[in-house]
Amino acid sequence: EIVLTQSPATLSLSPGERATLSCRASQSVSNYLAWYQQKPGQAPRLLIYEASYRATGIPARFSGSGSGTDFTLTISSLEPEDFGVYYCQQRGNWPVTFGQGTRLEIK
Amino acid sequence: EVSLVESGGGLVQPGGSLRLSCAASGFTFINYAMSWVRQPPGRGLEWVSVISGPGGTTSYADSVKGRLTISRDNSKNTLSLQMNSLRAEDTATYYCVKDIGYGSWGRGTLVIVSS
Repeated sequence: EIVLTQSPATLSLSPGERATLSCRASQSVSNYLAWYQQKPGQAPRLLIYEASYRATGIPARFSGSGSGTDFTLTISSLEPEDFGVYYCQQRGNWPVTFGQGTRLEIK
Repeated sequence: EVSLVESGGGLVQPGGSLRLSCAASGFTFINYAMSWVRQPPGRGLEWVSVISGPGGTTSYADSVKGRLTISRDNSKNTLSLQMNSLRAEDTATYYCVKDIGYGSWGRGTLVIVSS
């Protein structure tokens, strides 16, 4: 199965700063990569699908890029509500797998 | 608006059984593959199983193969997960997911396997 490795494990930034989260796949997943945000006590919320397409209702400050094995989620200017854990997930090769998550803390 | 509502979670003893359900609305249910994903308390996400739209094709994570069975009733827009021979490591919140990687998630139902 494909292993997704996310970095960094924790990111601590201030509102207005730019956040860059990485997800690396152990083999190519083409562009079949999604990003989720999860807050405590809530279900994951889809942010990005197929590596670069924003899901319905997701603010434009969230963007995704990459293909093959290297992917990036960028939050251009952090808002206080952007805290949480971010997961990447691939469906380019079944079984579906998830990264271990990046915790984003807002200073 | 898409709605996915899970039910059926609870406390069960090791070796016991439980049946989870997910009531779907707001979309043409038969047109979409549906998955179960679980999350142990304080840990990350693990895909469990998927079933095709018509229901003829299923797939499972190795960790649950032979113990969990996914099914769907397209006449009732309902997804199910029959869980047998439960173990402590099956303790998790179980989420119902529409077209994983593209669609919505339910709020989840908590399963606790403990004596």
